Amino acid sequence: DVKVTQSSRYLVKRTGEKVFLECVQDMDHENMFWYRQDPGLGLRLIYFSYDVKMKEKGDIPEGYSVSREKKERFSLILESASTNQTSMYLCASSRPTGQSTDTQYFGPGTRLTVL
Amino acid sequence: AQKITQTQPGMFVQEKEAVTLDCTYDTSDPSYGLFWYKQPSSGEMIFLIYQGSYDQQNATEGRYSLNFQKARKSANLVISASQLGDSAMYFCAMREGLGYSSASKIIFGSGTRLSIRP
Repeated sequence: DVKVTQSSRYLVKRTGEKVFLECVQDMDHENMFWYRQDPGLGLRLIYFSYDVKMKEKGDIPEGYSVSREKKERFSLILESASTNQTSMYLCASSRPTGQSTDTQYFGPGTRLTVL
Repeated sequence: AQKITQTQPGMFVQEKEAVTLDCTYDTSDPSYGLFWYKQPSSGEMIFLIYQGSYDQQNATEGRYSLNFQKARKSANLVISASQLGDSAMYFCAMREGLGYSSASKIIFGSGTRLSIRP
């Protein structure tokens, strides 16, 4: 089975802190994604990566950066956390989509609260 | 404009009844894929079913089926004989186009919270 793990299930940080959210997948997937999930808004794509050291902005990249130094690991960085970044963060991975059938596999999520 | 629209924020259904969760989508790309995911209270997103834009038949996976009406741009999820464990958030999603990079993105709807009554 594909396994996507995230470093924390719950995280509480203070405004202005630098926050790292880590995601690791064990299926050798090329693609990795970071989403945030807010009530009534569904999942919104923050950043994704289709190869090591490659990244592309998603729909809401402002206030975030990412790092992919190894294929299995994709990190989301909040340079200076703000209260409006309080949310559930979901990581996902997938194979390269030579076909549109390839689904994404998700981690359990990190619920981040910024005070 | 919304690419994926789920108009039912919440639904209550009696156990063992069938339930239909609505989803409409908007794309001008002739090649796309439609997904449904389930998110229980634990938070993890679980892939349920997939329908390709060129598929002639509606997709089925066990108790899940996708009522695909291409002309209406509709991709409703039907769950037959609902169970208490079906209580969860359900998300409809779409991938446009084929290939690498930006075509890997999946766009999600806002979700429907389904609650099954015993």
